[in-house]
Amino acid sequence: KNQVEQSPQSLIILEGKNCTLQCNYTVSPFSNLRWYKQDTGRGPVSLTIMTFSENTKSNGRYTATLDADTKQSSLHITASQLSDSASYICVVSANTDKLIFGTGTRLQVFP
Amino acid sequence: GAVVSQHPSWVICKSGTSVKIECRSLDFQATTMFWYRQFPKQSLMLMATSNEGSKATYEQGVEKDKFLINHASLTLSTLTVTSAHPEDSSFYICSARGGVGGRNTIYFGEGSWLTVV
Repeated sequence: KNQVEQSPQSLIILEGKNCTLQCNYTVSPFSNLRWYKQDTGRGPVSLTIMTFSENTKSNGRYTATLDADTKQSSLHITASQLSDSASYICVVSANTDKLIFGTGTRLQVFP
Repeated sequence: GAVVSQHPSWVICKSGTSVKIECRSLDFQATTMFWYRQFPKQSLMLMATSNEGSKATYEQGVEKDKFLINHASLTLSTLTVTSAHPEDSSFYICSARGGVGGRNTIYFGEGSWLTVV
């Protein structure tokens, strides 16, 4: 069964600190993996997209990694800001139109 | 700026009435659009995949006669919730595939809050 699991479910950090979010998937055949940021009550916004051959991709303070062998991905946020408070969703695409969504990690950044 | 626009952003309707939500791709043609619903603190749930000029493909458990999807042009898809009930109250989000990034790029709309009273 195609699944995407994220951890932790929620996370609280202080402003300026770094954090890492995890994503494990059992999607086959694998096409690509995306990380999205979703503010409460808003649509998801793309942060990164990685294909099978890519190990790391950065977007500003966000750095995503992908290990296709272990089927794991991480999203590292550097020097967190209050505006980073949101849900972060890992989405894996099989070789079809279908996207498999993780349940997300709710991040709260406090001053 | 947004590349996928949803309208309305929020709507309140009476139980038993129908409500239409529009999803437009701005400045690009989207051959495929997706409709999701999201309950509080939960992830997005795919409702249907909409291809321009053809009937939408609905996910298991989604009533196609209740959630009517029309994808009449390459830039517009609509979701009509017919005979809405309070349990249909949710956050509805569309996404469109295409644009500069090509087939792998998917843009999400800002979502539409539906409250049925």
